[in-house]
Amino acid sequence: EAGVAQSPRYKIIEKRQSVAFWCNPISGHATLYWYQQILGQGPKLLIQFQNNGVVDDSQLPKDRFSAERLKGVDSTLKIQPAKLEDSAVYLCASSFGQIPYEQYFGPGTRLTVT
Amino acid sequence: AQSVTQLGSHVSVSEGALVLLRCNYSSSVPPYLFWYVQYPNQGLQLLLKYTTGATLVKGINGFEAEFKKSETSFHLTKPSAHMSDAAEYFCAVSESGSDSGNTPLVFGKGTRLSVIA
Repeated sequence: EAGVAQSPRYKIIEKRQSVAFWCNPISGHATLYWYQQILGQGPKLLIQFQNNGVVDDSQLPKDRFSAERLKGVDSTLKIQPAKLEDSAVYLCASSFGQIPYEQYFGPGTRLTVT
Repeated sequence: AQSVTQLGSHVSVSEGALVLLRCNYSSSVPPYLFWYVQYPNQGLQLLLKYTTGATLVKGINGFEAEFKKSETSFHLTKPSAHMSDAAEYFCAVSESGSDSGNTPLVFGKGTRLSVIA
């Protein structure tokens, strides 16, 4: 089965610019997560979707970050405007949502803000 | 709130030697526990997980981990290191319980494993 797909793999932008990342989860996986992984740290949850509804976005900086999952399949994460501290790897994961569950991760998008 | 502590940001072992990566968690109730591996420029891959049942869990690539409730630990071991084991390893926890199948993971900061020939 195909894994979680993410694009682009790398992105370099200047501060105050905007950027968008795309994620296509494994077919049939109802739950989708976006994590932010800053260099030297473990991934941190930004937002969780169940189908096309938001379950948890408590750690999403909503003044600059937004995410959507139209039709409950693929998802887009946007940053506008970007700051230097947004430089990180953005990981998308999906799960089938049954216990014991497992999250499957995509390769990530490495964002560098200059 | 849950938290994960991984002792040692960098561990170096000789090829063929025992690998021991430490993980302690903080949680009001025993959580689900996971170990993930991340190779350079790749996403995270699940090594093993503990949910219920036997406390010694075997995973892929010869790794295993033991859940010790009294010590709130879930250390990862492998009897004999291979060069291909060099990677970043993350311990993670999530809430347990019948309604918690979809709770997000809380990760430790990771341990980079180097294997010396």
